[in-house]
Amino acid sequence: LAKTTQPISMDSYEGQEVNITCSHNNIATNDYITWYQQFPSQGPRFIIQGYKTKVTNEVASLFIPADRKSSTLSLPRVSLSDTAVYYCLVGTMIYNQGGKLIFGQGTELSVKP
Amino acid sequence: ETGVTQTPRHLVMGMTNKKSLKCEQHLGHNAMYWYKQSAKKPLELMFVYSLEERVENNSVPSRFSPECPNSSHLFLHLHTLQPEDSALYLCASSPSPGSGIYGYTFGSGTRLTVV
Repeated sequence: LAKTTQPISMDSYEGQEVNITCSHNNIATNDYITWYQQFPSQGPRFIIQGYKTKVTNEVASLFIPADRKSSTLSLPRVSLSDTAVYYCLVGTMIYNQGGKLIFGQGTELSVKP
Repeated sequence: ETGVTQTPRHLVMGMTNKKSLKCEQHLGHNAMYWYKQSAKKPLELMFVYSLEERVENNSVPSRFSPECPNSSHLFLHLHTLQPEDSALYLCASSPSPGSGIYGYTFGSGTRLTVV
């Protein structure tokens, strides 16, 4: 499993764009990059997944450079309700080949008024 | 609601008690998981079930005993727990273990306190 490194915490204000970067230097060819969001006392929730370049959905954007050794989750115009822990995971789509959902420390995002 | 329901939401138990956590999924998934999340720690994968068969046990103490009677239900039986077992216990499901890191749906968890 590719090891990931992301900031432990980040602060932001309502209405700002927040970018959380994750490093995964030993990402493998078959690995995808997936981000989950977890609110206090709830289970993680899938946000976005990508393999390369840029992916956008109604919640966030994911930017992946050509070398895929890092990725950036971008949350546009955050609100107080975006306060949560954000996890970056790297793995394959095949369980026996690194596709298990193994979580790191995550980034604790705090959005202030 | 995520489609994965866990009961109870909160549980306080003594060290000599026996209790069970229940998880039910209505998503037609074939794989189910138990995770433990202690305060300020990452989620730890405890058990993996695929089509009611346990495929993974990550060195979990025997005081935690999982049971998967069918693909929609998962239990975690608790016996003789220690205070350090206090944590948020999360159940998750996915279409199959082969869905990899995509397609997991988590329940809201059971907050367990051992006194």
